[in-house]
Amino acid sequence: QQQVKQSPQSLIVQKGGISIINCAYENTAFDYFPWYQQFPGKGPALLIAIRPDVSEKKEGRFTISFNKSAKQFSLHIMDSQPGDSATYFCAAVETSYGKLTFGQGTILTVHP
Amino acid sequence: ETGVTQSPTHLIKTRGQQVTLRCSSQSGHNTVSWYQQALGQGPQFIFQYYREEENGRGNFPPRFSGLQFPNYSSELNVNALELDDSALYLCASSKPPSGSNEQFFGPGTRLTVL
Repeated sequence: QQQVKQSPQSLIVQKGGISIINCAYENTAFDYFPWYQQFPGKGPALLIAIRPDVSEKKEGRFTISFNKSAKQFSLHIMDSQPGDSATYFCAAVETSYGKLTFGQGTILTVHP
Repeated sequence: ETGVTQSPTHLIKTRGQQVTLRCSSQSGHNTVSWYQQALGQGPQFIFQYYREEENGRGNFPPRFSGLQFPNYSSELNVNALELDDSALYLCASSKPPSGSNEQFFGPGTRLTVL
């Protein structure tokens, strides 16, 4: 059962452009939504996270938008840079259990 | 502050063999979670250890087992290896298992089963 669906699978953006990755979840018990960035040969690293009582959270060039009624959330990367090229995973957590349920991942390529 | 470390980096086994993977948690963290990441997929939760006890398990068969030691380091053991067990195995450590406590991932162990 795929509890967190992520799209697109891959994304190519020009330097300076906006990258947008979308996720949808099914389990209404999820109450914490982190995004992870993974470079080749490395483990995932937390990028930014949001709780469902907030509709948007911004940290630098990274913004999460959250739509609780639609059970959807998205990551926007403004002014995308070649160094942002990586695989991005959305995830969802039931905080009472503490386990991460990941989406399938999006491979982002930012061309110079 | 030392981050999460895992050993070995790479491992090649044959079907039916057994394997042990190791993880040292980050300083100050007493919770370790293990994830399996197949090629091109997101990590899948295997199980979590908190204070040396299993504290939640994902949809993995009993041949996947683990241990946590008093120093909070952990082992993942897989018996009777199958070809589909080939994956990157990730360990993540955190403070007590509240879902909002950030999980810090190690670089993973790449297991290949032939």
